[in-house]
Amino acid sequence: NAGVMQNPRHLVRRRGQEARLRCSPMKGHSHVYWYRQLPEEGLKFMVYLQKENIIDESGMPKERFSAEFPKEGPSILRIQQVVRGDSAAYFCASSPGPGGTEAFFGQGTRLTVV
Amino acid sequence: GENVEQHPSTLSVQEGDSAVIKCTYSDSASNYFPWYKQELGKRPQLIIDIRSNVGEKKDQRIAVTLNKTAKHFSLHITETQPEDSAVYFCAPVDTGRRALTFGSGTRLQVQP
Repeated sequence: NAGVMQNPRHLVRRRGQEARLRCSPMKGHSHVYWYRQLPEEGLKFMVYLQKENIIDESGMPKERFSAEFPKEGPSILRIQQVVRGDSAAYFCASSPGPGGTEAFFGQGTRLTVV
Repeated sequence: GENVEQHPSTLSVQEGDSAVIKCTYSDSASNYFPWYKQELGKRPQLIIDIRSNVGEKKDQRIAVTLNKTAKHFSLHITETQPEDSAVYFCAPVDTGRRALTFGSGTRLQVQP
């Protein structure tokens, strides 16, 4: 079991470009979560997904951010028209049960907007 | 939503001493109480968890205690070692309705 896989590990984007962050959950896990972390800060919940469904997106900014977890393939967090304030580490987690029970995290994608 | 507070925000102990971190939460429906450890530049790692029908759980040097009436749970680390130095996060949750809500973290420094 390879664990939760995120790619890329590091991503540099110019202001106005799009960023796509990918997350493959652990085998057997159907619940996926995205969190954002600024340096020296905590983990801020963004979105909770199951296959083809968004369960809770209360932490997602209303504009420019979207997430999906299709029937086949990884979960994708998409940020359109990135701004400097989007620079952060984005962590994905997956769990076998609902709500984050026994959730394991990926290594994160560090997004830098220049 | 869930309001989560951790205390203290920083904790410095001598190697071999014990460390205790407390987490208070607001949602009385919370039923799952994990603790995560995050070393600098790395991913959060689940170190111990407890469910609402249990008052205490121990795994070697680490233990978690839960007081559902008072809505708080605590992480206990005994015989601390320098490799315990990290930021620790609690993340209580009502698994039927929400995803993990993380506290602001406690930075533990174990002095050799």
